[in-house]
Amino acid sequence: EIVLTQSPGTLSLSPGERATLSCRASQSFTSDLAWYQHKPGQAPRLLIYGASSRATDIPDRFSGSGSGPDFTLTISRLEPEDFAVYYCQQYASSPYTFGQGTKLEIK
Amino acid sequence: QVHLVESGGGVVQPGGSLRLSCAASGFTFSIYGMHWVRQAPGKGLEWVAYIKYDESIKYYGDSVKGRFTISRDNSKNTLYLQMNSLRAEDMAVYYCAKKFGNYDAFDVWGQGTMVTVFS
Repeated sequence: EIVLTQSPGTLSLSPGERATLSCRASQSFTSDLAWYQHKPGQAPRLLIYGASSRATDIPDRFSGSGSGPDFTLTISRLEPEDFAVYYCQQYASSPYTFGQGTKLEIK
Repeated sequence: QVHLVESGGGVVQPGGSLRLSCAASGFTFSIYGMHWVRQAPGKGLEWVAYIKYDESIKYYGDSVKGRFTISRDNSKNTLYLQMNSLRAEDMAVYYCAKKFGNYDAFDVWGQGTMVTVFS
């Protein structure tokens, strides 16, 4: 099983700042990685697939980079609606595991 | 509009069974793989199971293997999760999610249904 470790656990920033979220895999794979945004009471939202491709209707302030084992999600300028929990997920091999999440909170 | 609506959640005692359903609309259900993902209270997301569009391939997470069964009825545009021998640690919101094209990422999610395992 591929274990994904996200860091930091919590990130406290202000609107307008840049956010950098990390995801490290226990085994190397190329680009079978996705990022999701999850707000309380809502369904998760796909942001990035293939490590760096934005999903439909995702603003260009969200970008993904990296290849196994290290991946990064960057939010260039935080908007108030961006404060949420973010998960990485690998689909290189079953079981399709998630990281434990990074909570992005308003400073 | 693409929609997934889960149902069938509820309260069940340890050792009991429950069947979840996920009704799909707004897309050609029969050509997409589908997944179940869950979130226990206060915890992160956990992938549960996957089924290929034609049921020829099924995968399960280690924590549910042998107890849960994923299935689908393409004539009814519906995905199922049969959950047997339920444990306290199965208590969670269960989401169905659509496979994103050729990627096993999830581009459409339902709102989730809550399963409570309570004695």
